[in-house]
Formats: sequence, structure tokens, C-alpha cells
Amino acid sequence: RKEVEQDPGPFNVPEGATVAFNCTYSNSASQSFFWYRQDCRKEPKLLMSVYSSGNEDGRFTAQLNRASQYISLLIRDSKLSDSATYLCVVTRVLTGGGNKLTFGTGTQLKVEL
Amino acid sequence: DAGVTQSPTHLIKTRGQQVTLRCSPKSGHDTVSWYQQALGQGPQFIFQYYEEEERQRGNFPDRFSGHQFPNYSSELNVNALLLGDSALYLCASSLGAFENTEAFFGQGTRLTVV
Repeated sequence: RKEVEQDPGPFNVPEGATVAFNCTYSNSASQSFFWYRQDCRKEPKLLMSVYSSGNEDGRFTAQLNRASQYISLLIRDSKLSDSATYLCVVTRVLTGGGNKLTFGTGTQLKVEL
Repeated sequence: DAGVTQSPTHLIKTRGQQVTLRCSPKSGHDTVSWYQQALGQGPQFIFQYYEEEERQRGNFPDRFSGHQFPNYSSELNVNALLLGDSALYLCASSLGAFENTEAFFGQGTRLTVV
């Protein structure tokens, strides 16, 4: 079983739609959680951190359920420019120092006219 | 302020050859991590360098080795290349490496092994 699992999609949605992505993680020692965005043939970029209390950044809302080891990302009023791959990321500090980012395979979103 | 820069951007090598990829971290960052991203997959952690030492390593064979220099820049070396090593190699830099440290990625080096 992969440490971080995501539905690979693609999710094809019309402009203005609301779309939700889900992610589960298996390592209960995971400490911090993020969503990264990766455009085609580009590097991943941090979209937002994810907190247990839930957090919102404009049209984006992220939620963490530690008990269920589940992370979600909601995009409201989707734009053409939201088309990208969304990567779920969990991190933990390692014995001996340092940290490790563990990525899901990513969920591809295509927003259409 | 330059972000994370990697060189070269593209590379084609033959099976069995060796390759060296380079990374300059974002100004002020002291920690460099390397990731391998195969097509259709998420990035996989190779190793992390801090204070010129390999601090952590993912599940990659010894053919993958690295180095960090006093100016915090880093190299990734891969020996005896296999077709399966074809991937996008990403360098990420950060200031320290804690559970909530933000990592900044370079644009990557796309390696093709033929």
C-alpha cells in the first residue's frame, strides 16, 4: 500500500464548478500536510498547508482529519487557470534530523469552457 | 532573488553511463533534498543534505549518490544508468528541515536514458 494515496483522475469539470480532491495517508507519524500544485512539465509549488481546524485561501479550502488519516482540497468557482495536477504531501521529521516529504501520485484537474 | 536553479534542464544518456546533476538552492537556504519523478507519478525522495552531509536517504540504490558543497549547492550522481532511471529529477531547498518547513523546488532536470 502506498504511503499517500490519491485518485489520479483526470477530473474534467466546467468553469465555475466546485471540485473536491481526497487523499489518505498510512503513516500515523506524519506531522504536517500540504497541497502542492504542479503544472505540466513544471516543478511542484506549494498551494497551501492543511490544518486540523481547516483553512481557507480564497477559493481553496483544505481540511485534515487525523483520526481518519484523510486530507481534502475543495476548489470553488474553478477557473481555466486551475488546470493542473494537485499533489497531496505529508511530512515527518526523521530520526537523526531532517524531514521527508512524501507525495501522492497527484490528481489531474482539467477545467473546460 | 534567484530561486532554486538546476542544470542542465535536459539530458540524454546511454545505458551504463554516469550522470551528474547540479542544484543551487534558494538564497539563504541550507538544506537540499533530491527527488525523482517518473512520468505519471509523484516525486519520490532520494536523499537530503545538510551541512555537507547526507542526513537522510530514501529507498534508492547506492548507484545514486550526492554531495553538498560549503556554499550549500549540491550534486546528484547516478552511476551505471538504467532505462528505468529516466525521469524528472527535482531539487528542493529549505531553511532547516522541520515538519512544517516549506520546500522550494527547482524546475528539474529531465533525464532520458536510451
